[in-house]
Amino acid sequence: EVQLVQSGAEVKKPGESLKISCKGSGYNFANSWIGWVRQVPGKGLEWMGLVYPGDSDTRYSPSFQGQVTISADKSINTAYLYWSSLKASDTAMYYCARGMGLFDYFDYWGQGALVTVSS
Amino acid sequence: EIVLTQFPATLSLSPGERATLSCRATQSVRTSFAWYQQKPGQAPRLLIYDASNRATGIPARFSGSGSGTDFTLTISSLEPEDFAVYYCQQRSNWPRTFGQGTKVEIK
Repeated sequence: EVQLVQSGAEVKKPGESLKISCKGSGYNFANSWIGWVRQVPGKGLEWMGLVYPGDSDTRYSPSFQGQVTISADKSINTAYLYWSSLKASDTAMYYCARGMGLFDYFDYWGQGALVTVSS
Repeated sequence: EIVLTQFPATLSLSPGERATLSCRATQSVRTSFAWYQQKPGQAPRLLIYDASNRATGIPARFSGSGSGTDFTLTISSLEPEDFAVYYCQQRSNWPRTFGQGTKVEIK
């Protein structure tokens, strides 16, 4: 059974760093894209970027380029989303999701990780 | 960046009725297009990919059509569990983008 299990909710202060994780199981982790999607409470889905764990090829939305770092460690079937300096506007639910087959439609999703940034 | 515009923003219907949701792209995405469903407190679920293919386990009452810039998701007869928010997404160009969503609510 394919599963993506994300790390838990986080409460951080502005300026702090944070890395959240997404562990895949039940499939060949290295051979499928893993993407990250932001959802501000009460708002829509925002495509942030994705990583191909097999070769670490990474693509970002311009809206998030330079604001976050997406990475993956195929040896432990885990993808990451990292902020070096959080802002209050980063408060949102963050989902990881698996790209389907050779494509990057998201067919399996993590449970989401709520990140709250507040002073 | 390709912008996807969904309409209507809200669709008020009764169970058993037919739902027609639309999504328009600012440039052609061919058929590199998907629909997702999201219920409150849940992660999104892939419904349709490549514009018209149902994802695994998706009931036949969901169908997708379109190509180029105009796409439609049809729910032939709404079940109580279909009341949710629906998003479109393109994977033709980088960055991939989502529409802003259509809420299907009970009338």
